Amino acid sequence: DIVMTQSPDSLAVSLGERATINCKSSQSVLYSANNKDYLAWYQHKPGQPPKLLIYGASSRESGVPDRFSGSGSGTDFTLTISSLQAEDVAVYYCHQYYNNPQTFGQGTRLEIK
Amino acid sequence: QVTLRESGPALVKPTQTLTLTCTFSGFSLNTSGVSVTWIRQPPGKALEWLAVIDWDGDKFYHPSLKTRLTISKDTSKDQVVLRMTNMDPVDTATYYCTRRRGYNYAWDYWGQGALVTVSS
Repeated sequence: DIVMTQSPDSLAVSLGERATINCKSSQSVLYSANNKDYLAWYQHKPGQPPKLLIYGASSRESGVPDRFSGSGSGTDFTLTISSLQAEDVAVYYCHQYYNNPQTFGQGTRLEIK
Repeated sequence: QVTLRESGPALVKPTQTLTLTCTFSGFSLNTSGVSVTWIRQPPGKALEWLAVIDWDGDKFYHPSLKTRLTISKDTSKDQVVLRMTNMDPVDTATYYCTRRRGYNYAWDYWGQGALVTVSS
């Protein structure tokens, strides 16, 4: 199984400041045939299902605010929220869909400082 | 508009079999590349992928649960069913069904989730 490790486990950021979450996979999730990274980011709020933010490591899902961005390739990835808003408080998960079993990171809890 | 909804028992006893149904609308599981998967989240823990069924009937299971899981689809009813045998209290979780629009995409639409508690 591909192990996904996020850092930090929790993060407190002031409103309007940048938040950065990292994700490392135990093996590459880059599919060489199409040069796409099979890495996604989800936002999960209590009482709601996870919401897809980013797929392909850096493609923003339709309707997701542009303050959310993803970067990285291979085994190292980053989710950045450029200017934290109150509604961004949530747990964030990275997820590899490169192969089965698909796996998720342990989650990063983002709070307001 | 794509929607998915999980249904099934909220409480099962240890050793019983859990049957969850995902009823969806707004897409067809006959469309090339479309898949439906089941993911669960035990209370206070991370997300765990369980099983997937593809548009062409291909199925994949989490290796650690493979002997206990069965996933199936009924395209005439727009439903996907997950069966999990020999339930244990550690299987207490919120179970989600989700879909993706193609193999190159992640899981874009999710049901609200069904909380299943395993207790005698």
